[in-house]
Amino acid sequence: QVQLQESGPGLVKPSETLSLTCSVSGGSLRTYYWSWIRQSPGMRLEWIGYIFNSGTTNYNPSLKSRLSMSVDSSKNQFSMKLTSVTAADTAVYFCASNAKGGTNSFEYFHHWGQGTLVTVSS
Amino acid sequence: DIQMTQSPSSLSASVGDRVTITCRTSHNINSYLNWYQQRPGKAPKVLIYGASSLQSGVPSRFSGSGSGTDFTLTISSLQPEDFATYFCQESYSTLRTFGQGTRVDIK
Repeated sequence: QVQLQESGPGLVKPSETLSLTCSVSGGSLRTYYWSWIRQSPGMRLEWIGYIFNSGTTNYNPSLKSRLSMSVDSSKNQFSMKLTSVTAADTAVYFCASNAKGGTNSFEYFHHWGQGTLVTVSS
Repeated sequence: DIQMTQSPSSLSASVGDRVTITCRTSHNINSYLNWYQQRPGKAPKVLIYGASSLQSGVPSRFSGSGSGTDFTLTISSLQPEDFATYFCQESYSTLRTFGQGTRVDIK
């Protein structure tokens, strides 16, 4: 059973960089591709971006200029960095696996981490 | 961008009730629509993908239907563990947009 666990600082100052890591257990990074998703205090969910084990990425255009993702296959981990954060980036951040199912290979978010709250405040 | 509108935003129901939640999209997304359940303090869990395919391990009282711009999640007989918030999500566009959620409370 694939399990994911987010880790990183819970408090980041405005204009600084938010860095999070997701540790994957019970499965290989090669099996799926991997997303970050965040949930604002108002409960709105927003997809941030995904990364393949190869390092290929796809980012939400609204965050692309501030976002980078990386993968460390030796540790079975993937990470994200979001620069120049503001209060609007305060959210619970989830990592998740992207799976595909059905004859049309419909994509969906399969496994999820428990989420980690990141607050942007001075 | 694809706009997602769920209705209702909240509802109150009793155990055993049939519950229907609707998700409407601003563009035709064929069947690229997923449904998730989120209990308080937990991560979302996929229930339905591809508009109508039941995820493995999900009880058969959950079902999804629709295509194009109008979609429905139905819970045939509400159970105590089903009181939660439900989200639709499109996997048609790059943004993979979520609906705003429907909270299902105990009446």
